[in-house]
Amino acid sequence: EVQLVQSGAEVKKPGESLRISCMASGYTFTNYWITWVRQMPGKGLEWLGRLDPTDSYAHYNPSFQGHVTISADKSVSTAYLQLNSLKASDTAMYYCARLHTDDSIRFDPWGQGTLVTVSS
Amino acid sequence: DIVVTQSPDSLAVSLGERATINCKSTQRYSSYNTKYLSWYQQKPGQPPKLLIYWASTRESGVPDRFSGSGSGTDFTLTISSLQAEDVAVYYCQQYYSFGQGTKVEIK
Repeated sequence: EVQLVQSGAEVKKPGESLRISCMASGYTFTNYWITWVRQMPGKGLEWLGRLDPTDSYAHYNPSFQGHVTISADKSVSTAYLQLNSLKASDTAMYYCARLHTDDSIRFDPWGQGTLVTVSS
Repeated sequence: DIVVTQSPDSLAVSLGERATINCKSTQRYSSYNTKYLSWYQQKPGQPPKLLIYWASTRESGVPDRFSGSGSGTDFTLTISSLQAEDVAVYYCQQYYSFGQGTKVEIK
């Protein structure tokens, strides 16, 4: 079974940094890109960026460039999302997903989500 | 930037009735638009789930009451006979842009 399992909920203070993990299983990690999506409380889905685990090349949504960093360690089939200089507005659920690029762009499956709360 | 707009923002449908959600993209017409159009279902407290890709191809295991159609810049998700378990927010995605979501409830 293809699965993406994310790290647990985090509570951080403004100005701190954070790294969320997304461990893949059930498929060859380097055969698919990984993508990250943010969902603020009660709001919709926002695409943050994507990464090719083969060479760790990442492409970001310009709206989030410089604030987030996506990386991967293919030796442990794990992708990471780093958030820098956290603000209260970064409070959200963050999802990783496997990105299919076989003549389509679709995210499947998704991780269970990691809730990040930023509060002083 | 591609802007994807769904309509309506919410709708209430009786059990067994049809629900229709529209999705419009500002992406200039391209033959790739249809290939890069997907629909997701998100139930409360759960991550989104892929329902439809290539605008009209159902993901494996998705009930056939869900169907997608459209091309160019206008697309539609139809639930032919609404079931209680279909209560959710539905999102369309064109390339890497999501619509704002449509909340489907039981009337």
